Amino acid sequence: AAGVIQSPRHLIKEKRETATLKCYPIPRHDTVYWYQQGPGQDPQFLISFYEKMQSDKGSIPDRFSAQQFSDYHSELNMSSLELGDSALYFCASSLGLGNTGELFFGEGSRLTVL
Amino acid sequence: AQSVAQPEDQVNVAEGNPLTVKCTYSVSGNPYLFWYVQYPNRGLQFLLKYITGDNLVKGSYGFEAEFNKSQTSFHLKKPSALVSDSALYFCAVRDAGDSNYQLIWGAGTKLIIKP
Repeated sequence: AAGVIQSPRHLIKEKRETATLKCYPIPRHDTVYWYQQGPGQDPQFLISFYEKMQSDKGSIPDRFSAQQFSDYHSELNMSSLELGDSALYFCASSLGLGNTGELFFGEGSRLTVL
Repeated sequence: AQSVAQPEDQVNVAEGNPLTVKCTYSVSGNPYLFWYVQYPNRGLQFLLKYITGDNLVKGSYGFEAEFNKSQTSFHLKKPSALVSDSALYFCAVRDAGDSNYQLIWGAGTKLIIKP
């Protein structure tokens, strides 16, 4: 079965650089969520989109932005990278906002900022 | 305020023994409860959920969880542990009345199954 696809899987950047992460949800899923997970920490919700509109905002820094495109894929743009941005970034998708179903997670994109 | 507590950072169990990973929650309304498992350097995988109905929920890989409303708990259980069950387990809750699908996550419990 098709799953959530994230790219790239690994990314190394230097401080003050920019990075873009991509997420392709499960086909027909219209809701995308972005999470950040630091070493040994639980996932921290960043932002979500439903039908290409931002639906909720969590602890996403102002240096970060995201959007969902017409094909429902989403991109997380991170600028002025800091060492503390090094983490595993997960994308998850679901069908419909506010449903009772579970989130389906991608394998994550590991960002290392040097 | 909504919250999830996983009181144990780590649980050690011998292979073949039953295992329990604890989770308690706090929401203002009715809870939707979830368990996810995370293997090293992998994404979170859904195990099971409680929305309504039977308090005992069965999920993937032989896991089950029991919803206890009076104790506000949703402990994860398995009758006989396998070494391959060793992973990080996250409990999550959502308030059924929440208009946004905002999951509240526990801190995670590392489960170590020893041969």
